[in-house]
Amino acid sequence: KNQVEQSPQSLIILEGKNCTLQCNYTVSPFSNLRWYKQDTGRGPVSLTIMTFSENTKSNGRYTATLDADTKQSSLHITASQLSDSASYICVVSDRGSTLGRLYFGRGTQLTVWP
Amino acid sequence: EADIYQTPRYLVIGTGKKITLECSQTMGHDKMYWYQQDPGMELHLIHYSYGVNSTEKGDLSSESTVSRIRTEHFPLTLESARPSHTSQYLCASSESNTGERDIQYFGAGTRLSVL
Repeated sequence: KNQVEQSPQSLIILEGKNCTLQCNYTVSPFSNLRWYKQDTGRGPVSLTIMTFSENTKSNGRYTATLDADTKQSSLHITASQLSDSASYICVVSDRGSTLGRLYFGRGTQLTVWP
Repeated sequence: EADIYQTPRYLVIGTGKKITLECSQTMGHDKMYWYQQDPGMELHLIHYSYGVNSTEKGDLSSESTVSRIRTEHFPLTLESARPSHTSQYLCASSESNTGERDIQYFGAGTRLSVL
């Protein structure tokens, strides 16, 4: 069964600290992995997208890594800010159809305290 | 900031009412999608469209219907709302010619409560 599991479910850190969010997936065949940020009451916004051949991708203070062999990804946030408080969603796309079907994780709820 | 808009943002209605959730995008994207999301849960695809006059059901069974008469407009309709329809509905769009890097842009969502 194609699944995307994220950990931890929730995380609280102090402003300025770093953190790492994890994503494990069983989706096959694999096309790409995306990380989205979803602020409360808003739609998700794309942070990074990585294909099979890419093992790291950065977007400002966000750095995503991908290990396609172990089917694991991480999102590292450096020098956290209050505005980083949001849900971070891992999404994996397969190559099984022209739609490139997306499998969504439930997200990690990050709270940054001052 | 993505140019995709959903209205209304919040809607509280009684059981049995007919409602239409609006979604419009000004990016000229061919692909559009409707997702349903409950608190703390993953997004579930309920409808999608590859272009004008093209609509398909998604993975999650839904009693809603959609139409795509214009490229920029993808409304979702519930003929008779029930409390089980209470959820957040997210609309998204994407370009059709970007292959594996087909990024979806989401609207802010409509939070629906059916009493």
